[in-house]
Amino acid sequence: QVQLVESGGGVVQPGKSLRLSCAASGFTFSTYAIHWVRQAPGKGLEWVAAVWSDGVNKYYADSVKGRFTISRDSSKNTLSLQMTSLRVEDTAVYFCARDETNGWPDLWGQGTLVIVSS
Amino acid sequence: EIVMTQSPATLSVSPGERATLSCRASQVISSDLAWYQQKPGQAPRLLMYSASTRATGVPARFSGSGSGTEFTLIISSLQSEDFAVYYCQQYTNWPLLTFGGGTKVEIK
Repeated sequence: QVQLVESGGGVVQPGKSLRLSCAASGFTFSTYAIHWVRQAPGKGLEWVAAVWSDGVNKYYADSVKGRFTISRDSSKNTLSLQMTSLRVEDTAVYFCARDETNGWPDLWGQGTLVIVSS
Repeated sequence: EIVMTQSPATLSVSPGERATLSCRASQVISSDLAWYQQKPGQAPRLLMYSASTRATGVPARFSGSGSGTEFTLIISSLQSEDFAVYYCQQYTNWPLLTFGGGTKVEIK
């Protein structure tokens, strides 16, 4: 089955860290760029980060630059988002989504909820 | 940063009627625009890319148009399953993507 499955969300205090994972199956993971996109409760979609199919080129939104790190392990078909120095405003559902380097993510996971609260 | 503005924020439409959703870019993005549909508790679903190309499996009642800074998504005859939130997304600055604020299509 072609799918992406996120995990690792939870409740964390401000200033702490959390690592999200995205497991891919049913397609050739290594040929796709992968994005993280988040959605705060009741709000719209916000792009967070992306990693090229080669795993070398990485890009971040200004709001998370220096705090979040995206990485991928194509041997395990997994993507990670290491989040540090978390803020209340990072509270959101985090989606991973694949992109055939065209610019329009065509497959999204169901998301994992991150709540940053004291 | 390219800002995407969608209007209206909410659109009340009766089943079987036509819905017209608008999306405006703060600068020219050619046809580098995608549309997504999102239902409560679900992930976004790709509907359209390159402004006017339907994604695989998307019904023909969905059509997209526009280029430059002005774009439109039309649902020709609303079905019950079409009531959802719709987002536009530019990718001219790919991989930096930006989304519009969304239009909620609700039952009138």
